[in-house]
Amino acid sequence: DAGITQSPRYKITETGRQVTLMCHQTWSHSYMFWYRQDLGHGLRLIYYSAAADITDKGEVPDGYVVSRSKTENFPLTLESATRSQTSVYFCASRGGRSDTQYFGPGTRLTVL
Amino acid sequence: AQKVTQAQTEISVVEKEDVTLDCVYETRDTTYYLFWYKQPPSGELVFLIRRNSFDEQNEISGRYSWNFQKSTSSFNFTITASQVVDSAVYFCALSEASRDDKIIFGKGTRLHILP
Repeated sequence: DAGITQSPRYKITETGRQVTLMCHQTWSHSYMFWYRQDLGHGLRLIYYSAAADITDKGEVPDGYVVSRSKTENFPLTLESATRSQTSVYFCASRGGRSDTQYFGPGTRLTVL
Repeated sequence: AQKVTQAQTEISVVEKEDVTLDCVYETRDTTYYLFWYKQPPSGELVFLIRRNSFDEQNEISGRYSWNFQKSTSSFNFTITASQVVDSAVYFCALSEASRDDKIIFGKGTRLHILP
């Protein structure tokens, strides 16, 4: 049982390109989250989803798009990547509102 | 307002010493949850412990122990007889029962265990 996985683990892209980061969890957790981690800023929430077909913005949603057609998947798309989106992206999930949040291994994205 | 403060940015101790990582939180909710996560050099975020606001019992797990005090809004983490493998960034976090979204993370404490 893999738990929560992210792909790719590393990605290099160029400014202006579209990039999709994948997140998959096998626990049937209701909630899923996307964070970015940058030096000096800690972990910042990009988007989250309380259930399939329900998504909401976090602190830093600009430039990102999410969808959640299936409970187990929560892809994050950078529609037109910018250098400021170079970061480590973490996906997370939890079962219920008060449950523990578990994180994926992260995706290191570099935008040139 | 919700807030988690980890005042210690970086700590270095010699192996086998005990070390305490401080965490102070702010919340208006009466029902909330506190967490500690570990981020080793490999980069993943590893869950360590979850505590709810109604349970002030201290917890011990091997060399790790946690002291939760509502009176001082603190949830401190102690590593006894530290080992080099404990070197990591440790995050304290707060989740409020009234909120659907994120958990609030502190900025983290980078712990160096020197051999």
